[in-house]
Amino acid sequence: DSGVTQTPKHLITATGQRVTLRCSPRSGDLSVYWYQQSLDQGLQFLIQYYNGEERAKGNILERFSAQQFPDLHSELNLSSLELGDSALYFCASSVGEETQYFGPGTRLLVL
Amino acid sequence: EDKVVQSPLSLVVHEGDTVTLNCSYEVTNFRSLLWYKQEKKAPTFLFMLTSSGIEKKSGRLSSILDKKELFSILNITATQTGDSAVYLCAVRIQGAQKLVFGQGTRLTINP
Repeated sequence: DSGVTQTPKHLITATGQRVTLRCSPRSGDLSVYWYQQSLDQGLQFLIQYYNGEERAKGNILERFSAQQFPDLHSELNLSSLELGDSALYFCASSVGEETQYFGPGTRLLVL
Repeated sequence: EDKVVQSPLSLVVHEGDTVTLNCSYEVTNFRSLLWYKQEKKAPTFLFMLTSSGIEKKSGRLSSILDKKELFSILNITATQTGDSAVYLCAVRIQGAQKLVFGQGTRLTINP
């Protein structure tokens, strides 16, 4: 158990819908990272927040957005969902900018 | 474009064998290389390597980095069925916040 928690574990929704994935980092970690893992793409970095502010952006679609709240938990919002958005979404946290510890992931299925 | 390539993609061995997993990288400004083990869901951290030639060891697992030749290896000796997993290699770029992941090696240990 890495200490990073994510909810929900599984999510099934329809195309065009919007969902919110939640992440709580390890105690004391200020950085939160979001990754998408699909079968054909591997683990892809989406976005990072550090102490409430966006720090870095990766291959994140405009339909996706994220934020980090004052209590350091983070939410990833996915809207206008498409079939291709089906994937595992991981959150990771780190105390500084080195080792990232991953949460258990949210499996999203878009039907 | 920053790239991390792992080989082999898949490996099946018998319990008790020793395996070597490879990770090569081409990145703009290397900072560190990390190995993760992914079983059913979340990648779990194994090692972080920053200096060439210094072996990191944890039980039957060990890893070393060669910054001149731009690769790392992960060795597992006396393999057990519990070692079956996908092993991910990731490189952190100097100044960047993200990890660039390889596609992973799927290791299967047969009893």
